[in-house]
Amino acid sequence: DAGVTQSPTHLIKTRGQQVTLRCSPKSGHDTVSWYQQALGQGPQFIFQYYEEEERQRGNFPDRFSGHQFPNYSSELNVNALLLGDSALYLCASSRRTGLMDTQYFGPGTRLTVL
Amino acid sequence: KQEVTQIPAALSVPEGENLVLNCSFTDSAIYNLQWFRQDPGKGLTSLLLIQSSQREQTSGRLNASLDKSSGRSTLYIAASQPGDSATYLCAVGSNDYKLSFGAGTTVTVRA
Repeated sequence: DAGVTQSPTHLIKTRGQQVTLRCSPKSGHDTVSWYQQALGQGPQFIFQYYEEEERQRGNFPDRFSGHQFPNYSSELNVNALLLGDSALYLCASSRRTGLMDTQYFGPGTRLTVL
Repeated sequence: KQEVTQIPAALSVPEGENLVLNCSFTDSAIYNLQWFRQDPGKGLTSLLLIQSSQREQTSGRLNASLDKSSGRSTLYIAASQPGDSATYLCAVGSNDYKLSFGAGTTVTVRA
C-alpha cells in the first residue's frame, strides 16, 4: 500500500519565480492538506482540499494557491517567490472527515529560494 | 487561535532511560491530539492518535496521555534506544480541519 508521495524531493528557485509542488494521497484517502515547515519550527497549515475545493485556509497570502484533481492528488503553487518561502513543504492525507482520523504525511519537498 | 507549546525543546538521555515529553495547548475544544516523529530533513511519522474522549493511547514502548481540561498531553517512551533519537512533534486537531503543531522536542539517546 503506497503511502503519501510528493514530488520533487528538492527544488531550487530564485526570487520572483513560480513553483509547483505535487502530492498523491495514501490509497483510500480523499482529503489533502498542505503544511509549510521552516527550519527548527513546527509545520504551519497552508490549506486543505476536499472534493476538489479549498475547504480551509491558514494565514498564508494569495501567492499560495492549490488544486485538487478528480483522482484526489493535489498541487501547491507559489507565485512571486520570496527568500522566506524557503522551507520543507509537507503534504498530508486523510479520509473524508479529516477530523477524527490519523493524518498521514509525505516525505516533503525541500524548497530553497535564492 | 490554538497555541501549542512543547517543553523541553531538547533532551539528551543515556540509553535505557525513560523519556517524558510534554505538550500543552491553549484551547481545550479539540477533536484529537496526535504525536509524530520526524527524522532530520524527513517527513512526519504518526506515532499515536488520541481522540478527545480518550485519556491515553499505547503502542509498544510508547504511551501518550491527554488531559483536555488542563490542556496537556505527555508522551512516555520506555527504555529508550539510540534509534529513538529524533524530533517529536505534538499536533492538536480542531474543528477547523487543521492540525496546530508545537515546535517539537529534539531527543538524543546516547549509547
